[in-house]
Amino acid sequence: EDQVTQSPEALRLQEGESSSLNCSYTVSGLRGLFWYRQDPGKGPEFLFTLYSAGEEKEKERLKATLTKKESFLHITAPKPEDSATYLCAVQARADKLIFGTGTRLQVFP
Amino acid sequence: DTGVSQDPRHKITKRGQNVTFRCDPISEHNRLYWYRQTLGQGPEFLTYFQNEAQLEKSRLLSDRFSAERPKGSFSTLEIQRTEQGDSAMYLCASSLVAGGVDTQYFGPGTRLTVL
Repeated sequence: EDQVTQSPEALRLQEGESSSLNCSYTVSGLRGLFWYRQDPGKGPEFLFTLYSAGEEKEKERLKATLTKKESFLHITAPKPEDSATYLCAVQARADKLIFGTGTRLQVFP
Repeated sequence: DTGVSQDPRHKITKRGQNVTFRCDPISEHNRLYWYRQTLGQGPEFLTYFQNEAQLEKSRLLSDRFSAERPKGSFSTLEIQRTEQGDSAMYLCASSLVAGGVDTQYFGPGTRLTVL
């Protein structure tokens, strides 16, 4: 069965303290791996799509990478406004997205 | 704003009542998805449409749930005889499938509370 596991569940960082979030997956026939940001009470906001091992994408302080078994979301010099829940999802042979439970990130000044 | 919109944003109802939610996708997107999210969990797939056709329904979607997408534009999700376990955030997403790419863009969600 297709499965996505995210770690850690929660992460507290001081402003400027870089770190990485992990998303490990087991799927049959990966078509794409997606990262979303979700603020409390709002819908997920699309960040990145990765399609093949070795691919990397960047946006401001965020960089997503993909291997055959996991993806990392690297956050460089985070700011308080980066505080949110970061969700990882995979799309396999079916069109639906299978989500992990997310990593709740808190960045304090 | 040309993103996905959902209405209402919040709904409080009593157990046993019927509720209906609406989703307006991004213009010209041919796919529309419904997900449900409970506190501390990631969204879970419920059903999706390609144009007017409903292509897949999750086992989570009991007989009390029905979804439509008439004319391939907006979609409605109806829950009959609501139960307390139906309390959740109901999310709609849309995508334009092109060249195998299927990036789903989410709306703000409808928060349902069943008393």
